[in-house]
Parts: sequence; structure tokens; C-alpha cells
Amino acid sequence: AQSVAQPEDQVNVAEGNPLTVKCTYSVSGNPYLFWYVQYPNRGLQFLLKYITGDNLVKGSYGFEAEFNKSQTSFHLKKPSALVSDSALYFCAVRDLQRDAGNMLTFGGGTRLMVKP
Amino acid sequence: NAGVTQTPKFQVLKTGQSMTLQCAQDMNHEYMSWYRQDPGMGLRLIHYSVGAGITDQGEVPNGYNVSRSTTEDFPLRLLSAAPSQTSVYFCASSYRTTSTDTQYFGPGTRLTVL
Repeated sequence: AQSVAQPEDQVNVAEGNPLTVKCTYSVSGNPYLFWYVQYPNRGLQFLLKYITGDNLVKGSYGFEAEFNKSQTSFHLKKPSALVSDSALYFCAVRDLQRDAGNMLTFGGGTRLMVKP
Repeated sequence: NAGVTQTPKFQVLKTGQSMTLQCAQDMNHEYMSWYRQDPGMGLRLIHYSVGAGITDQGEVPNGYNVSRSTTEDFPLRLLSAAPSQTSVYFCASSYRTTSTDTQYFGPGTRLTVL
């Protein structure tokens, strides 16, 4: 069965510093990987996705993620954090081997706190 | 476009009551789904639909029913609410059912079952 792990419940970063939110995955075939962000009392907003090709994916709001097949990881990164980046971040995977519509398997989420 | 809309935003039910959570999208998306979000567990798929008249179960379907009579609407029904169904519910849609399509989420319904 496919799974996603976000090993950190919370990440604390000072404004202006680089940030990394970690994600590892387990699937039986090739993964399609997604990052979503959730601001307080809001739905999930799409940030970026990896389908194929370049391992470094650039997304919304200056975020990027690096796909590493050997380490089965898809860490989210940003060179310089903003206080407004404080939110809950979810990594998700779509396993091509599963015939369940467009089902996504989500990690438990990581809360990012950026302090001024 | 309004995107994906959900009503109500908040709801409190007593055990055994029934209710319907509404979801609508105006993007002509084929695929729609319902997730529940619980602390530390991410989002889990309840039911999904790949088009009008077609629905199927996700990871955690027990206690929930769905139907898809139109492309735009995908209501989620709780027939007899239980405290274990206290959660935040999100509806999502995507243009097609292919794996690469991005899913777009509604703002959520926060449900409390007493």
C-alpha cells in the first residue's frame, strides 16, 4: 500500500532563513507527488507537483521541491521564508498502480512557523 | 469562477441525526471527491466520482453515502451521525481522472457530533 510520511509535526524558522519541510513516500510504482498548503480555516491550496522530468520542481509563492528517487523523498524548500508562509503543509502521492480514481494519499501534515 | 464551494461551513449534530454536506464546482470537472481531515492523519478519501452517475468508495466510506446526479454537485450524506464522524470535511475536484491532474479543494465543513 502507498504511504506518505512527514516526520516533523512542526518546523520553526526565522524570517529570511531557508526552510525545508520533509516528505518521504512509499509506492509500488512510479509516484506522482504533490504539495498542498492550508492556511487557518481555509481549504488546501495546490503548491506544486512532480510528474516526470526535472527533479527540481518550482511552484507557487517561491516554493520548490526536489524529487529524490533513491531516497524516496520529495522535500519542500524555499530560499527565504516569510512570516506569511506560516501554515500547515501536506505532501501527497498518487500511485499509478492503484485504480482508485484520482486518489491521493496524504501525509499527516507539517506546521510551519516563521517568526519575525 | 467560484471554484469549489461547500456548505455549511460549520455544523453541530447530535448522535443519530442525519444531514447532507453540499459540494458544488463550476469548472466542469469530471472528478469529484470527499475527504475528511483529522489531526495528525492528513486527509483520507471517503468517496469519489469520476463523472455524473458514477461513484465509488475510498479509504473510509462507512457511515457515508454519496450520489452524483449532475456534473456540478456531489453531496455527502451522513445517515446516522456518530461522534467518530467529528471532523473537517473537504470536497475536491479535478478536470479529469488522470493521475497528473491537480485537485482543487473547497474551504471545508467543520462537523461536530455530540
